[in-house]
Amino acid sequence: GAVVSQHPSRVICKSGTSVKIECRSLDFQATTMFWYRQFPKQSLMLMATSNEGSKATYEQGVEKDKFLINHASLTLSTLTVTSAHPEDSSFYICSARAGGGTVGQYFGPGTRLLVL
Amino acid sequence: AQKITQTQPGMFVQEKEAVTLDCTYDTSDQSYGLFWYKQPSSGEMIFLIYQGSYDEQNATEGRYSLNFQKARKSANLVISASQLGDSAMYFCAMRELYTGANSKLTFGKGITLSVRP
Repeated sequence: GAVVSQHPSRVICKSGTSVKIECRSLDFQATTMFWYRQFPKQSLMLMATSNEGSKATYEQGVEKDKFLINHASLTLSTLTVTSAHPEDSSFYICSARAGGGTVGQYFGPGTRLLVL
Repeated sequence: AQKITQTQPGMFVQEKEAVTLDCTYDTSDQSYGLFWYKQPSSGEMIFLIYQGSYDEQNATEGRYSLNFQKARKSANLVISASQLGDSAMYFCAMRELYTGANSKLTFGKGITLSVRP
């Protein structure tokens, strides 16, 4: 199947710093990328949807100024958690889908963020 | 609106036996896709199997099969010959098809499966 990478896999940072997470589709062009957040033992919560070259669409309740998403190319999307606080600690997962009516949606390995 | 329901508590199965993980869904869409993903403790979401709403035959992928009953709106995952590596959380998901690139996956709460040696 299609491969999606995510970097870093784990990050620990101090409160107030910003953290950037990269998501890459390695063997296909991702027209659409999705960013999710997951708390332990819970389901995935969609944060935002992004299309290459356009602004991301954020889900209700997700602060767009807090979670900056950039989808600069068909293989790369980034999520920046700005001025991170302990409550932002979570597991963040990206997902990518090719265009042209493609059905499959593939996920990256996730990033565990811990804000001290 | 779409909704996925996974109500089973933690499931246990003996190694080499088969297990069924339940999933029911609700949608007013005519064209939709149903997905199952596996999430081991490492966190990665692994795509297992897909069923389209117009597919007449149940999907199969190796040891995984999807028992699709459209009238009952159920899409149960059957894992045959369970292995210790099957221990993980399993998510059922669905999304509307043919409505554009941004159609979103709706996930169930997930089911934890533990395979006993």
